[in-house]
Amino acid sequence: EAQVTQNPRYLITVTGKKLTVTCSQNMNHEYMSWYRQDPGLGLRQIYYSMNVEVTDKGDVPEGYKVSRKEKRNFPLILESPSPNQTSLYFCASSLGLAEYTGELFFGEGSRLTVL
Amino acid sequence: GDSVTQMEGPVTLSEEAFLTINCTYTATGYPSLFWYVQYPGEGLQLLLKATKADDKGSNKGFEATYRKETTSFHLEKGSVQVSDSAVYFCALRRYGNKLVFGAGTILRVKS
Repeated sequence: EAQVTQNPRYLITVTGKKLTVTCSQNMNHEYMSWYRQDPGLGLRQIYYSMNVEVTDKGDVPEGYKVSRKEKRNFPLILESPSPNQTSLYFCASSLGLAEYTGELFFGEGSRLTVL
Repeated sequence: GDSVTQMEGPVTLSEEAFLTINCTYTATGYPSLFWYVQYPGEGLQLLLKATKADDKGSNKGFEATYRKETTSFHLEKGSVQVSDSAVYFCALRRYGNKLVFGAGTILRVKS
């Protein structure tokens, strides 16, 4: 089954404790992206990757890091989480630019609470 | 910069009522437009899209028409069901693979 898998789905942590949210897709997609969803603000892009070893900042990258060492994986790293990073996070993937139709495939989301 | 504005919710309807969720956009050129739906506890999934002016996207009884003159892409359904209860996001393709999303509109359908 084609899917984007995120882990953990739920996490409560404390300020300053490094954490990683993993994302994996099995559709051989070139493009992957992270979004955060906050009430009244919709989805805002954090980082994206056009292909392996190619990453770039989205609209709200501060406080986050990513890496793309393999095509299928795109982890989101919070080196020193703060309460304003409490949010619902989504990983998404799609075909590469040449074939892109506008459809993003989303994971089920990771709800992060930073105390 | 490019942006998408949706009507605020929540929108509460009775089953079989007519649905309209308004969406307007600001963008340079003529972007592709999309509606995504998020069911409770799930990620977003594409509902429909339109790639040029006057195109009509449709899926699962939902429709939206790309109106260049009013920069709008309103979502409509003639008869909603309880199972349509979800959050609906309007989005535009800015450039490359990037999508810009609206804030989302919660739809609640009562039986």
